[in-house]
Amino acid sequence: DTGVSQNPRHKITKRGQNVTFRCDPISEHNRLYWYRQTLGQGPEFLTYFQNEAQLEKSRLLSDRFSAERPKGSFSTLEIQRTEQGDSAMYLCASSSAQGTQETQYFGPGTRLLVL
Amino acid sequence: AQSVTQPDIHITVSEGASLELRCNYSYGATPYLFWYVQSPGQGLQLLLKYFSGDTLVQGIKGFEAEFKRSQSSFNLRKPSVHWSDAAEYFCAVGTDSSYKLIFGSGTRLLVRP
Repeated sequence: DTGVSQNPRHKITKRGQNVTFRCDPISEHNRLYWYRQTLGQGPEFLTYFQNEAQLEKSRLLSDRFSAERPKGSFSTLEIQRTEQGDSAMYLCASSSAQGTQETQYFGPGTRLLVL
Repeated sequence: AQSVTQPDIHITVSEGASLELRCNYSYGATPYLFWYVQSPGQGLQLLLKYFSGDTLVQGIKGFEAEFKRSQSSFNLRKPSVHWSDAAEYFCAVGTDSSYKLIFGSGTRLLVRP
């Protein structure tokens, strides 16, 4: 069990640029989650996948955000035309499906700064 | 809608003193409850969880939490705090209707030497 990994750990970009983050879940986990955490706040749910299917999306996930999980393994989160309000820590978590009584394990996060 | 309240933004305790961090939730049925800890610039580490059964749950690093349905609370406790416990602590709730977690806004713990 090597844990959830995320890359890059830090990203600085200029407003209007596109960015993509990657998450590699724990190998046997079939559920994968994305959360966003702004300064001084708790994480907020963005979206989740069961295998390759994206099953739930938050209203926080505007049209500029897209997430994929091809083949049910790693996932990518892309933000197009970044805005300064997108500056946050983006956290990925994974879990092994056990109904709803499951435990989510988090990665170290990707910190995004939009200038 | 489900929600989690952590009333204390900051708590400062002396090393060796006891600790209690408060968490109140809003949810109509039995919630699934979690405490996570986050060190600066890091992800979240699970401390403990409650799904059902014994309302006093033990976690890692000497932490425990008690689920009190009548008070809609899940407070985190530790009998003797170590300097390495300084971090931000988040309470979260999960439900039967969704797989997402709802987090509180966190409590930052400072430990005085």
